[in-house]
Amino acid sequence: DVKVTQSSRYLVKRTGEKVFLECVQDMDHENMFWYRQDPGLGLRLIYFSYDVKMKEKGDIPEGYSVSREKKERFSLILESASTNQTSMYLCASSLDRSNTGELFFGEGSRLTVL
Amino acid sequence: GQNIDQPTEMTATEGAIVQINCTYQTSGFNGLFWYQQHAGEAPTFLSYNVLDGLEEKGRFSSFLSRSKGYSYLLLKELQMKDSASYLCAVRDLSGGSYIPTFGRGTSLIVHP
Repeated sequence: DVKVTQSSRYLVKRTGEKVFLECVQDMDHENMFWYRQDPGLGLRLIYFSYDVKMKEKGDIPEGYSVSREKKERFSLILESASTNQTSMYLCASSLDRSNTGELFFGEGSRLTVL
Repeated sequence: GQNIDQPTEMTATEGAIVQINCTYQTSGFNGLFWYQQHAGEAPTFLSYNVLDGLEEKGRFSSFLSRSKGYSYLLLKELQMKDSASYLCAVRDLSGGSYIPTFGRGTSLIVHP
C-alpha cells in the first residue's frame, strides 16, 4: 500500500514564524502535491512537483514555497506565517502523468497561527 | 478553470440509497474523480470516470455524462460508516495542467 506520511499532525505557531511542513511518500511516485483544506472552500492546490527539484504553482501559491530535493520528500514552507494560513494542509502523491491520476493523501497537518 | 458544483450537505437513512450530484464546466475534460473523506482523516479514492456511463464498484457506483457536464455518485444500502464528505474532482487539460480541481465537497449524514 502507498503510504504518504506528514511529519506533524498538529502545529501551533506564532505570526511571523517560519514553518516547515514535511511530507514523505514510499512508493516512488513522481508527482507530489500540497493542498490546503478550509471549511466551505474545499481542497485548493498550493504547489505541486512532477520531478525532483521541479515545482509548479497551483491556485493559491502566495505566501508559500516548496522544496523537493529528493523524490520521496516534498516540503511546504511558510516563510512568515500569518493568521490567514491557519488551515488543514494535505500532502498527496500520484504515480505519474500517464495514469489515471489517482491521488494518495497523507493524514493532514492542522496548523494554527496565533 | 472549472466550475465544479455539488451540494453542501445531504442526509439519508441507513439502508437507503443516496445520489450525490456533481456538475462541472470544462473545455478540456480528461476525467472525473470521486473521493471519500471521513472527519479528521485523509481523502481516499473511490472512482474514476473518463467515458460516459456507469461504473459499479460494490455498493458504490459513479456515473458520467460528458455532454451534460454531470456526474453522480450512487451509494446503496447505506451504512452509518458512510457518513463522510464526498469530493468530486475534475481534470481539465485545456490549461495545460493535468491536475484535478476539487469541488467543495458534499457532507453526507447517515442516520438510523
